[in-house]
Amino acid sequence: AQKITQTQPGMFVQEKEAVTLDCTYDTSDPSYGLFWYKQPSSGEMIFLIYQGSYDQQNATEGRYSLNFQKARKSANLVISASQLGDSAMYFCAMRATDSWGKLQFGAGTQVVVTP
Amino acid sequence: DTEVTQTPKHLVMGMTNKKSLKCEQHMGHRAMYWYKQKAKKPPELMFVYSYEKLSINESVPSRFSPECPNSSLLNLHLHALQPEDSALYLCASSQSQGTDTSGANVLTFGAGSRLTVL
Repeated sequence: AQKITQTQPGMFVQEKEAVTLDCTYDTSDPSYGLFWYKQPSSGEMIFLIYQGSYDQQNATEGRYSLNFQKARKSANLVISASQLGDSAMYFCAMRATDSWGKLQFGAGTQVVVTP
Repeated sequence: DTEVTQTPKHLVMGMTNKKSLKCEQHMGHRAMYWYKQKAKKPPELMFVYSYEKLSINESVPSRFSPECPNSSLLNLHLHALQPEDSALYLCASSQSQGTDTSGANVLTFGAGSRLTVL
């Protein structure tokens, strides 16, 4: 069975600071993908970044980077230079080969960016 | 702009009403999903359609009835709902459902339909 764990229910971060959101996962499948989504209060789930289990390099997308440590089964999201618009719920998710399309979500981390 | 369009954005219905949620995508995706999300919780998968056929039903009560009229449209028919069914209903699509876990097969979500059952 797959499991995604996000241990930080909420975080405050000052504008222009970097923030790291933790995510650990558990799967016996050697082939899987890890995803981070952002959900503002409006409700839409916005895809941020992807990391494949066989990728040798950590993924980066603009101000988002993923700190992938395969042996520790962690996939932490780093947001650099936080902006007020980054205030949202952030979900880590995993999709494995044997999950037949199911995207398993973590509990989420609520981020509030303060001026 | 989201590439998955959901209507209506808000819906209020009584327990005896029949209503439908609609979802449309024009990305050529062949897998479409319905998720239910309660406040402060992660989305929970309800249904998956693959090539217009129901592939996964996560033991959803029969008062929720999905329909996929064509590869671009996904409906969720609602009948005799309970107040605890009040939630945000998210539609998503991806290139395919199956074993492709690559970033090319990422799920794209719509903005959601916020349902209140009185």
